[in-house]
Amino acid sequence: GAVVSQHPSWVICKSGTSVKIECRSLDFQATTMFWYRQFPKQSLMLMATSNEGSKATYEQGVEKDKFLINHASLTLSTLTVTSAHPEDSSFYICSARVGVRGAGNQPQHFGDGTRLSIL
Amino acid sequence: AQSVTQLGSHVSVSEGALVLLRCNYSSSVPPYLFWYVQYPNQGLQLLLKYTSAATLVKGINGFEAEFKKSETSFHLTKPSAHMSDAAEYFCAVSLYQGGKLIFGQGTELSVKP
Repeated sequence: GAVVSQHPSWVICKSGTSVKIECRSLDFQATTMFWYRQFPKQSLMLMATSNEGSKATYEQGVEKDKFLINHASLTLSTLTVTSAHPEDSSFYICSARVGVRGAGNQPQHFGDGTRLSIL
Repeated sequence: AQSVTQLGSHVSVSEGALVLLRCNYSSSVPPYLFWYVQYPNQGLQLLLKYTSAATLVKGINGFEAEFKKSETSFHLTKPSAHMSDAAEYFCAVSLYQGGKLIFGQGTELSVKP
């Protein structure tokens, strides 16, 4: 149980295009999902917390107009990298917390990540 | 503020040897602590978690970790390494179990035959 699916797993696109990454909780509902970014051989950095039905909370230094997050349902959050450039190339990972509101004592479950390469 | 420090970015052990991955934390409140494993080009899998219950926590794949408040440590151990344990390991801290995670720098574990 508690499976999180990310799509696509790998994407290559030209500079200037926008890329959408989907994060789905397959067998549970999640009011809260998290988006992380990971550079090669480095740790995960939290980009934003995605809350169903409300605006995402971005971490300091993350451009909210650059990384658009939508959490329209209890099982789906999307991250759109707008006008992507080579410096946006990275491994993006989402996680979802089991349960609806008030489930702060449930752990996060991670997707398999999306490798984004901008040419 | 919370933070995590993992000592050693790379650890190499022989198959069958003890695995010890070190993690020290800083937290102004009682922390929730986690160990995750990451295989190449994959997401993170939860190995174990400390949530203020037992200080010795047993996880999957034979791993365990001990919470030591006096040392602010949460080291990960496994008595006998297996080749399949080769991966990147991350220690993380949060204010509560479902809260945002602050990750350490990661430790790459290599297992020699």
